[in-house]
Amino acid sequence: AQTVTQSQPEMSVQEAETVTLSCTYDTSESDYYLFWYKQPPSRQMILVIRQEAYKQQNATENRFSVNFQKAAKSFSLKISDSQLGDAAMYFCAYRSVWGNGGSQGNLIFGKGTKLSVKP
Amino acid sequence: DAMVIQNPRYQVTQFGKPVTLSCSQTLNHNVMYWYQQKSSQAPKLLFHYYDKDFNNEADTPDNFQSRRPNTSFCFLDIRSPGLGDAAMYLCATSSSRQGHSSYEQYFGPGTRLTVT
Repeated sequence: AQTVTQSQPEMSVQEAETVTLSCTYDTSESDYYLFWYKQPPSRQMILVIRQEAYKQQNATENRFSVNFQKAAKSFSLKISDSQLGDAAMYFCAYRSVWGNGGSQGNLIFGKGTKLSVKP
Repeated sequence: DAMVIQNPRYQVTQFGKPVTLSCSQTLNHNVMYWYQQKSSQAPKLLFHYYDKDFNNEADTPDNFQSRRPNTSFCFLDIRSPGLGDAAMYLCATSSSRQGHSSYEQYFGPGTRLTVT
């Protein structure tokens, strides 16, 4: 079974600085998807960035980028130029490509990292 | 805008009194999920519908049931809520059809359930 580990329960960053959130995962599959989701205090979960395992190029979305190291099974999120609105819980999630019926779409979440942004 | 809607946003129920939470979506996604999320924890998948097929997670208590009368709507029924069922309940959708971003789940804002 796949597992996702986020080893940093809480992180803090100064506004305008850069912060990196860590995520490691365990799987025997060669093809899969990885995601970072953001859940602000209002609690609606939104997708920040996705990475397909078959792509070597690291995904980037504006100030958000990932460092995907497939051999090391590592998927860290870098937030550049941090803003107050980035304060939230961040969840790393794994999704298999293959599965039975709808279960292939099921996400396996890490426990989350709470990010605080200091003005 | 296409979205996932959950009603109500806040629900208070009494211990043992059945309660129903609702979720609707305008995304025309064929897969719908229900998660339970307790404070400072990751969402825990309760069950999901793949089209009309119901898929229950092995550790979901029998107290939790779900209905999906059509593509757009899905309901979570808690037959006899206990104090331990107080949580945020998140609905999410995704599409397994070709041409969609089939690997992305879209979440609703959640319903916070309080059990008194």
